[in-house]
Amino acid sequence: GENVEQHPSTLSVQEGDSAVIKCTYSDSASNYFPWYKQELGKRPQLIIDIRSNVGEKKDQRIAVTLNKTAKHFSLHITETQPEDSAVYFCAAPLPSGSARQLTFGSGTQLTVLP
Amino acid sequence: DGGITQSPKYLFRKEGQNVTLSCEQNLNHDAMYWYRQDPGQGLRLIYYSQIVNDFQKGDIAEGYSVSREKKESFPLTVTSAQKNPTAFYLCASGPRYQETQYFGPGTRLLVL
Repeated sequence: GENVEQHPSTLSVQEGDSAVIKCTYSDSASNYFPWYKQELGKRPQLIIDIRSNVGEKKDQRIAVTLNKTAKHFSLHITETQPEDSAVYFCAAPLPSGSARQLTFGSGTQLTVLP
Repeated sequence: DGGITQSPKYLFRKEGQNVTLSCEQNLNHDAMYWYRQDPGQGLRLIYYSQIVNDFQKGDIAEGYSVSREKKESFPLTVTSAQKNPTAFYLCASGPRYQETQYFGPGTRLLVL
């Protein structure tokens, strides 16, 4: 089955700096890679996703890059703000028949220091 | 994901008691999922359903049961066999044949 590793587990940055979180996956057939943001006590919110037919996708201050050869994808947040502080999860699909399961990384606690 | 609701927000379970967590969606999604999240941990899949009247066990199904009698609803029962039920339970849904999942607001289950 799919195994998704996420690093780092915690990340502190100064407000205005950039943050990068990286995930690696094991199944070369995986073709969909979402990122979720979870604030304390709240639901995970889908913030950006990428499919394997593109190498990069941007949405304002956030971007996701995908390296299929190396089997890793990364979340980039530029010009960080205190409201970016949250836990971020990556995920990759389990290609098991017609099912559409996601396997989640263990999460990264991002703290943006004012 | 505003179209996915979970109730109650908090639930207290006594020893030996079965409790049921509700999950409803009005997004016309075929697929629905239940996850468990422990403090400081990631998401672990309990059960999932791709279509009405069909569901499959996830990674940690022991001590849990589900039903899928309606497309909009996917209730989760935490049985007395689940010895460590204290956790944050998240329901998700997604379109059929797509991997995208959207989460409900969650139910926090505590044991008295």
